[in-house]
Amino acid sequence: DAKTTQPPSMDCAEGRAANLPCNHSTISGNEYVYWYRQIHSQGPQYIIHGLKNNETNEMASLIITEDRKSSTLILPHATLRDTAVYYCIVLPNNNAGNMLTFGGGTRLMVKP
Amino acid sequence: DTAVSQTPKYLVTQMGNDKSIKCEQNLGHDTMYWYKQDSKKFLKIMFSYNNKELIINETVPNRFSPKSPDKAHLNLHINSLELGDSAVYFCASSQSWTSGGFGEQYFGPGTRLTVT
Repeated sequence: DAKTTQPPSMDCAEGRAANLPCNHSTISGNEYVYWYRQIHSQGPQYIIHGLKNNETNEMASLIITEDRKSSTLILPHATLRDTAVYYCIVLPNNNAGNMLTFGGGTRLMVKP
Repeated sequence: DTAVSQTPKYLVTQMGNDKSIKCEQNLGHDTMYWYKQDSKKFLKIMFSYNNKELIINETVPNRFSPKSPDKAHLNLHINSLELGDSAVYFCASSQSWTSGGFGEQYFGPGTRLTVT
């Protein structure tokens, strides 16, 4: 699986957009970019994933660069409940032996 | 209804005991997982089952034995508990890898195991 690099921590003001970057310069053509988050004392929560096109759902938007070497997760209007550790993971979607590998993630602190 | 549920939520036990953690999912998924999150908060996969068949077995002591009675349940039995087994254990489920959906996993609330 391709390795990802994320900043260890970020702050964001409540109500503003939170932009969380992820570098995955060794990503392969068949690897998707997945984002998860883990709020304190809860299980990880799936947010969004994409291959090469930008994606949006009710939780967030995912912007993937044209060369696919990096991506940004955007929470358009961060709330205090978005304070969590955010994980960027890349993996192929078609092999039983593949698995989610969680790195250190980015600890996002949303402040009033 | 809770999509992925685990019992118990907390488990405190002594070294050497045998304990089980149960997991159930009502999402109709074919694949279920067990993860371990240690005190440093690193989350690592332990096992994966697809339609009751073991497909991932990471480097886990054989004191840990998963059992899947049906595709909606994946239980974790731990023999001869050790201090180092203290952690939070998460169950998860997803569609089968054959459908291309296994990267979208749904996690339970976790079981905090403390071995004294």
